Parts: sequence; structure tokens; C-alpha cells
Amino acid sequence: AQSVTQPDIHITVSEGASLELRCNYSYGATPYLFWYVQSPGQGLQLLLKYFSGDTLVQGIKGFEAEFKRSQSSFNLRKPSVHWSDAAEYFCAVMYSGGGADGLTFGKGTHLIIQP
Amino acid sequence: DAGVIQSPRHEVTEMGQEVTLRCKPISGHDYLFWYRQTMMRGLELLIYFNNNVPIDDSGMPEDRFSAKMPNASFSTLKIQPSEPRDSAVYFCASSLDQGVKNIQYFGAGTRLSVL
Repeated sequence: AQSVTQPDIHITVSEGASLELRCNYSYGATPYLFWYVQSPGQGLQLLLKYFSGDTLVQGIKGFEAEFKRSQSSFNLRKPSVHWSDAAEYFCAVMYSGGGADGLTFGKGTHLIIQP
Repeated sequence: DAGVIQSPRHEVTEMGQEVTLRCKPISGHDYLFWYRQTMMRGLELLIYFNNNVPIDDSGMPEDRFSAKMPNASFSTLKIQPSEPRDSAVYFCASSLDQGVKNIQYFGAGTRLSVL
């Protein structure tokens, strides 16, 4: 079964510092990868996605992620975080099974921004 | 578009009562998904529909849970009878029929507390 691991439950970063959130997925052919963000009391908003092509993808709010097949990873990065980035971040995967399917999510990483 | 609309936003009920959660997907979307979010298990897919037909309900925890989609603009998730362990945030999401490359758009969720 497909699975997603986000090894960091909490991460604390100073405002203005760089950020990297880790995500590893279980091995599978042609994974489709997503990062979602959830602000307190809100639903999930898509930050970015990877389907194919360039392994470095750009998303909204200044986020980017890099797909590394050899490491089964899809880490999320931002060069300089803002206090408004404090939220819960979820990595998700879908495999190309020939039809649409539900997403498999990681447990999430809670991002705390220090002033 | 108003996005995916869920109601109610919060629901507090007593054990044994029937609970009905509602979802209005984005107009024109062919897929509708129900997810549950808990601290212990994270985000889990419960069931999803394609063109109002349930496709995969393997994530539904037990017979107390049922979901319907009587038309393209409305779906319900019902729990009868409810139990305290059902307390969670329930999300609805919808997507266009793009095969596996679908992007799911989430509602704000319903926070359910069963006392």
C-alpha cells in the first residue's frame, strides 16, 4: 500500500530563515505528489504538485519542492519564511492506477515561526 | 466559484445520536471525496464518488457510517449511532474528471464532537 512519511512532527523556524519540510513516499511507479497547507480552523489549500517533467516545482506563496526519485522524496522549501506561514503542512501522494483516486496523506508537520 | 461548501462547521452531539454532515462540491466537478482527520490517524480517505456513484468505500470505518450523493451538487455523510471515537474533523473535497492528475479542492471541514 502506498504511504507517506513526514518525519518531523514539529519544526520551529525564525522569521526570515529558510525552511525545508521533509516528505518520503513508499516506492511506486509514477507517483503524483502534492503539498497542502492547513491554517488553523481552515481546510486544506494546495501549495504545489508534481506530475512529471522538471523535478523542481514552484508553488504559491513562494514555496517550491523537489522530486528526487532516487530518494523517494519530495521535500518542500522556502528561502525566507513569514509569520503567516505558521500552519500545518501535509505531503500527499497518488499513484497512476488508471483512474482518479483518493490521496494518501502524511501525518503532517506543524510549522512554528519564531519572531 | 464559492469553493467546496460544508455544513455545519461545528457539530456537538451526544453518543447514540444520528449525525449528518453535508457537502456541496464545486460546480462541474465529477469527483467527490470524504476524509476524516484525527490526531492519531491523520487524514484518511473514507469514500469517494464519481458522477454521484460510490467508487471506493473501503475507508468507511464501520456500518454506522454511510454516505450518499443524490445529485451532482450535494452529498451527505451520516453516522448512526454516533460514538465518542467518531469525534474528528471531516473534510469534503471535489475534483474535475482529469484521471489521476486531478487536483482536489477541500472544504473548510466539519468539526464533530460526540460527547
